[in-house]
Order: sequence, then structure tokens, then C-alpha cells
Amino acid sequence: EVQLVESGGGLVQPGGSLRLSCAASGFTVRSHWMTWVRQAPGKGLEWVANIKQDGSEKYYVDSVKGRFTISRDNAKNSLYLQMNSLTAEDTAVYYCLRKDYGSGGRGDWFDPWGQGTLVTVSS
Amino acid sequence: DIQMTQSPSSLSASVGDRVTITCQASQTISSYLNWYQQKPGKAPKLLIYAASSLQSGVPSRFSGSGSATDFTLTISSLQPEDSATYYCQQSYDTRDTFGQGTKLEIK
Repeated sequence: EVQLVESGGGLVQPGGSLRLSCAASGFTVRSHWMTWVRQAPGKGLEWVANIKQDGSEKYYVDSVKGRFTISRDNAKNSLYLQMNSLTAEDTAVYYCLRKDYGSGGRGDWFDPWGQGTLVTVSS
Repeated sequence: DIQMTQSPSSLSASVGDRVTITCQASQTISSYLNWYQQKPGKAPKLLIYAASSLQSGVPSRFSGSGSATDFTLTISSLQPEDSATYYCQQSYDTRDTFGQGTKLEIK
């Protein structure tokens, strides 16, 4: 069974840092682009960052550029998100996702979804 | 960035109704469009990928169509368990984006 389990969330003060981890099982992360998506309380889904299979390409939403760093350890089948200079606007459930794909170049999609990890930025 | 606009933002329909949700991209995205369902307190779930392919295990009353900039999610006969928020998402760009969501309520 394909599974993604996020951890590392919690309460942090504004300006603080947090490192999220994601343990993958049932598949090999080295075969997939990986992604972080977040959802603020009562709000919609927001894509945060993508990382290529070998880590050579990384992309971020503008609001986190320069503050967040996505990384991966293919040997540990894991994904990470280092979050610095946190603000209240970063309060959200953070989901670790794999970009799944089929044949024929039809794009990719997020499946499955774990339960996420809650990050709360507050004094 | 590619902007995704869903409409309506919310709707209320009766069991058995045919329901349509639309998603418009700010530029062409071919068929790189996915739909997700999220029920309260739960993680999202993939319904439709590549604009029109039904994810395994998803009821056949769900269908997707469209290409380029205009896409549609249709529920052919609404069921009580379909009460949820639905999101579209484009994967055409290396920077993915989601629509703002459509909240579907059952009358």
C-alpha cells in the first residue's frame, strides 16, 4: 500500500523555524517528483513546493521563496521541508505528496494524500 | 503562474440532481487537469486525472471533460455522500496551482 506519513508539525513562535518530514512507503520516491501542499484553517489548497527526482530542480510558491527549502533523501525514501522565518500566514496543515503519472505524457497528479501535519505559528 | 478559477464557489443541489462544476485556466494547460474531493476534516482524494480519467475506486457518476483552458466536473446523479468541497489542479506548469474550491451541499 502506498503511504505518506508527515511529521514535525507543532506550535512555533513567529520568526521561528520548523522542519517537516515525510516518510514514504509502498513505493520508491526516487521515481517521482515530490511536493508539499498546505491548507490554512478554513481555506483552500495551496501548492508550496516541488522537487525533482534527483533534487536538481526545486520550485516554490512566491510567498515562501527564500524562507522554505524542500529536500529529499532517496536512500531514506523521505521528503523534507525546512521552514524558516515563519509567520502566522504559514499556519496550515502541510501535506507531503508524490506526483503520480501514467503513460503517454498526460501530466501528473497527487495521489495518495496522507493526513498531513499541522503547523501553528503563534505567540 | 497559471491561475485556476472555479465556478461556482458554492452550490446546493438535491439528491439525484446532475451537478456541474467548471474550472478555467488562465492559459492553455492541454489536458493536465485533475479534480479532488475533500470532505470536512479529511484529506483530499483524487477523483479525476488528466481531465477525464476516473481514478480507480471512484464511482462512475463522476466524470470530467475539457481541454486547453476550460474543464468540467460532472456528477450525474448526486448522492448524499457527495457533499464536499471540490478542487481542480493544473500540472502543466512546474509550479502547480489549485482552484479556489467549490463547496457542494445537499439540500
